[in-house]
Amino acid sequence: QVHLQESGPGLVKPSQTLSLTCTVSGGSISGGPYFWSWIRQPAGKGLEWIGRIYTGGSTNYSPSLQSRVTMSVDTSKNQFSLNLNSVTAADTAVYYCARVSSMDYYMDVWGSGTTVTVSS
Amino acid sequence: DIQMTQSPSPLSASVGDSVTITCRASQTISTYLNWYHHKPGKAPKLLIYDASSLHSGVPSRFSGSGSGTDFTLTISSLQPEDFATYYCQQSYSLPYTFGQGTKLEIK
Repeated sequence: QVHLQESGPGLVKPSQTLSLTCTVSGGSISGGPYFWSWIRQPAGKGLEWIGRIYTGGSTNYSPSLQSRVTMSVDTSKNQFSLNLNSVTAADTAVYYCARVSSMDYYMDVWGSGTTVTVSS
Repeated sequence: DIQMTQSPSPLSASVGDSVTITCRASQTISTYLNWYHHKPGKAPKLLIYDASSLHSGVPSRFSGSGSGTDFTLTISSLQPEDFATYYCQQSYSLPYTFGQGTKLEIK
């Protein structure tokens, strides 16, 4: 069974870059017709989709974050990553990674999330 | 962006009750509608995809219906583990968007 685990710093200073990695276990990140996504949830708020990446490297980002987001995939490590630059307190959230079916684009496997706080 | 609006929130019910959560899209999304169950500190779980298809391993007391702009998630015979927040999500067009969530609370 595929399992996803987010990792990265829990504290990032304002104006710096937030960098997270999602490690895929129990299956190959290249093993099927899937996209890989990042989603976040600020405290007390709902879920916000950040973007997706295909194992071939093609990406789609949320228009509201597009100017600050970069996603990448490392098939040799079975990982994909999120970089969000010029962060502010508004980027404080729980960040989730998820697998997205390329058929109907539902997110069928999620990580348990990692909390990132932006503060000096 | 397509706006997703859920109701009611919150929702109070008792173990054994049947409840229905509604999700409305700001434009037609065919049946590209998914439902998730989420508890604090845990990974969200896919319940229903394509509006009415039950995800593998999800109990049959969960069901979904709808198409176009109006959708429902019904949970029959509530179990203690069902008290959580439920989100709908459209996958019709990018950016994917979620409803604001419906918190199902024990009465």
